[in-house]
Amino acid sequence: DQQVKQNSPSLSVQEGRISILNCDYTNSMFDYFLWYKKYPAEGPTFLISISSIKDKNEDGRFTVFLNKSAKHLSLHIVPSQPGDSAVYFCAARDTSGTYKYIFGTGTRLKVLA
Amino acid sequence: DAGVIQSPRHEVTEMGQEVTLRCKPISGHNSLFWYRQTMMRGLELLIYFNNNVPIDDSGMPEDRFSAKMPNASFSTLKIQPSEPRDSAVYFCASTLGTSFGEQFFGPGTRLTVL
Repeated sequence: DQQVKQNSPSLSVQEGRISILNCDYTNSMFDYFLWYKKYPAEGPTFLISISSIKDKNEDGRFTVFLNKSAKHLSLHIVPSQPGDSAVYFCAARDTSGTYKYIFGTGTRLKVLA
Repeated sequence: DAGVIQSPRHEVTEMGQEVTLRCKPISGHNSLFWYRQTMMRGLELLIYFNNNVPIDDSGMPEDRFSAKMPNASFSTLKIQPSEPRDSAVYFCASTLGTSFGEQFFGPGTRLTVL
């Protein structure tokens, strides 16, 4: 039973355009959300985060939006670059028990030159 | 500074054999996590330690899996006996603190059980 869902396994975007990656969650006890980027044969690396008390956080080309009522967050990359091609995982912090992060299944982004 | 170190990077074994995966967290980090990545389930948390003590092992699939952290700089994940469905990439991650923020991941161990 996936509490964090990334319903798009893959996404292709033209270089210079916007990439939008989506993530849905089911548990209202999640209070902090992160996005990680993963290249092949490497571990995930942290990209950007957002607290549940905010609805937007921006860091350079990357912006994360949180819609708590819809239990939905999205990652926007503008403009997209070929080096952004990777698998993106969203993760949510579960405060209902022992504090841990629940990860989604990932979305593979391919930015076409 | 070295990041999280995992060994081996690749492991191929036969069903029924014992497998031991190793992890050295970033120096100074006091929380350590073991994850498993599969296509179907993404990154699943198996177990995490804080100050070398297991805090949550609810993600450990079954008794065939065990994890230890004998000291602050070393942890093992053992599978005995291994089965083909255990084939996956196993990641170790570390961070400082208990409320957690960014976790730092190792490069992973790709396990193939034939």
